[in-house]
Amino acid sequence: EAQVTQNPRYLITVTGKKLTVTCSQNMNHEYMSWYRQDPGLGLRQIYYSMNVEVTDKGDVPEGYKVSRKEKRNFPLILESPSPNQTSLYFCASSLGAGYAYEQYFGPGTRLTVT
Amino acid sequence: GNSVTQMEGPVTLSEEAFLTINCTYTATGYPSLFWYVQYPGEGLQLLLKATKADDKGSNKGFEATYRKETTSFHLEKGSVQVSDSAVYFCALIAPTGGFKTIFGAGTRLFVKA
Repeated sequence: EAQVTQNPRYLITVTGKKLTVTCSQNMNHEYMSWYRQDPGLGLRQIYYSMNVEVTDKGDVPEGYKVSRKEKRNFPLILESPSPNQTSLYFCASSLGAGYAYEQYFGPGTRLTVT
Repeated sequence: GNSVTQMEGPVTLSEEAFLTINCTYTATGYPSLFWYVQYPGEGLQLLLKATKADDKGSNKGFEATYRKETTSFHLEKGSVQVSDSAVYFCALIAPTGGFKTIFGAGTRLFVKA
């Protein structure tokens, strides 16, 4: 089944404790992206990747890191989480970066930072 | 810059009512337009799309027509069901702006039996 998987689905952590949210897709997609969803703000892009070893900042990259060492994986790293990073996070992928390509989303990771 | 504006929710309807969720956009050039749906506890999934003016996207009884003259892409369904309760996002990808997907804020729909 074609899908985007994320782990963990739920995470409660404390300020400053490094964490990684994994994302994997099995569709051989070139483009991958991370979003955060907050009430009243919709989805905001954190980072994206056009292909292996190519990543770039989205609208709200501060406090986050990503890497793209393999085509299928695109982990999101919070080196020192803070309470304002409490949010619902989505990974997404698409065939490419062309303007007709829809995105496929993972199920989401709900992160709480205390 | 490129942007999407959609009507605020929540929208509450009775089963079998007619649904319209308004979406207007601002973009340079000719964007592609999308509607995504997010069911409770899930990620977004594509509902329908249109890639050029006057195209009509349709899926699961939902329709939207790409209107360049009014820069709109309103979502409609003739008869909603309880299972349509979800959050609906209008989105665009413009040929300028790095092919980034721009999402509207989302409209929550509640359908009562």
